[in-house]
Amino acid sequence: DAGVIQSPRHEVTEMGQEVTLRCKPISGHNSLFWYRQTMMRGLELLIYFNNNVPIDDSGMPEDRFSAKMPNASFSTLKIQPSEPRDSAVYFCASRPTGPGNTIYFGEGSWLTVV
Amino acid sequence: RKEVEQDPGPFNVPEGATVAFNCTYSNSASQSFFWYRQDCRKEPKLLMSVYSSGNEDGRFTAQLNRASQYISLLIRDSKLSDSATYLCATSYDKVIFGPGTSLSVIP
Repeated sequence: DAGVIQSPRHEVTEMGQEVTLRCKPISGHNSLFWYRQTMMRGLELLIYFNNNVPIDDSGMPEDRFSAKMPNASFSTLKIQPSEPRDSAVYFCASRPTGPGNTIYFGEGSWLTVV
Repeated sequence: RKEVEQDPGPFNVPEGATVAFNCTYSNSASQSFFWYRQDCRKEPKLLMSVYSSGNEDGRFTAQLNRASQYISLLIRDSKLSDSATYLCATSYDKVIFGPGTSLSVIP
């Protein structure tokens, strides 16, 4: 079975540019999570969706960040405009609905903003 | 205070040693608990779920104390291949991870 698929795997962009990260969750998984990982702050939950609906976006750092899930098989995380402090690994993860279920991560999108 | 906290580490242990990781969580609504392993420059992967009665998987033993809001992971007879970062996670609706503890097993 295909796992969580993220793209791009690596991106280097200039400050001020728009960045769009994409995620395809595992088929049949109803919950989708976006995390950001840095050495300083660890693995932070940015936002999560249940059945394509954003449930909690309290982890989104500021208005420059936005996330959408137009259907069950696709989600985007957008940063506009990007700043050097946004440099991090962004992970998408999915699971079947329910707190007892395991979440599965994609391989991550490594973002560098220069 | 972070919602999930772990020993800061790093832990450097010789092969064959027993090592224990501790994790505390603050949200009493947490329903499920997990240990994940993350290798350098890779995504976190599930190591094991943690059940109320405690559970074991080979050299790995996980314990949960709901009253103290505490989770532990014990690794016996550690191998070089156990070198990684270990993250605990709690789940109610969302899944929150601790900062991770780095383990290096030394020959």
